[in-house]
Amino acid sequence: QSALTQPASVSGSPGQSITISCTGTSSDVGSYNLVSWYQQHPGKAPKLMIYEVSKRPSGVSNRFSGSKSGNTASLTISGLQAEDEADYYCCSYAGSSTFRVFGGGTKLTVL
Amino acid sequence: EVQLVQSGAEVKKPGESLRISCKGSGYSFTSYWISWVRQMPGKGLEWMGRIDPSDSYTNYSPSFQGHVTISADKSISTAYLQWSSLKASDTAMYYCARLNIGGEFLDYWGQGTLVTVSS
Repeated sequence: QSALTQPASVSGSPGQSITISCTGTSSDVGSYNLVSWYQQHPGKAPKLMIYEVSKRPSGVSNRFSGSKSGNTASLTISGLQAEDEADYYCCSYAGSSTFRVFGGGTKLTVL
Repeated sequence: EVQLVQSGAEVKKPGESLRISCKGSGYSFTSYWISWVRQMPGKGLEWMGRIDPSDSYTNYSPSFQGHVTISADKSISTAYLQWSSLKASDTAMYYCARLNIGGEFLDYWGQGTLVTVSS
């Protein structure tokens, strides 16, 4: 099972909005509304930011939002802040044999 | 408070065996699956597999099937990841994480266990 495809890096200035894409196939992202997004700061464990494509866990800022179209899911961060600088990973359910697949990760730089 | 506390860093030689642990607290351990996730140095996250602690049923990613074993001891609310013969390529940070009730996403993560395999 190949990893989901994410851009290696994205950047934006404070206050701007950015979008990170996550492209899979009809066997994973395209078939299930079970995409989640995780934020990882250097040296830290990942943190759940979005689940089931567009839902936010309690405590996660509403500046984070998710969507999906076909085989591509997206994470949008609005009103960029310095503390948003981190690595972001998407993850999708991929069927009962593989179960889960992650994206390769995207490094967000806040300029 | 839900917590997953992992065992400490390990330094091993190729060919040695190893078992690392992940102890859950603050919730009903048998009600949630536990997943293991690998992160090689400077690389991304890789889903390794998961276990249902209530009956020890496991699923493995094809990439890890046969290379690692996931187990759990529900009496002490602890999940394990083990290797029978380590390779240098097993050097990585390993995270355990709890799957939510429906198994759709990883809602709580352990702090990670760094495994270094070097001769």
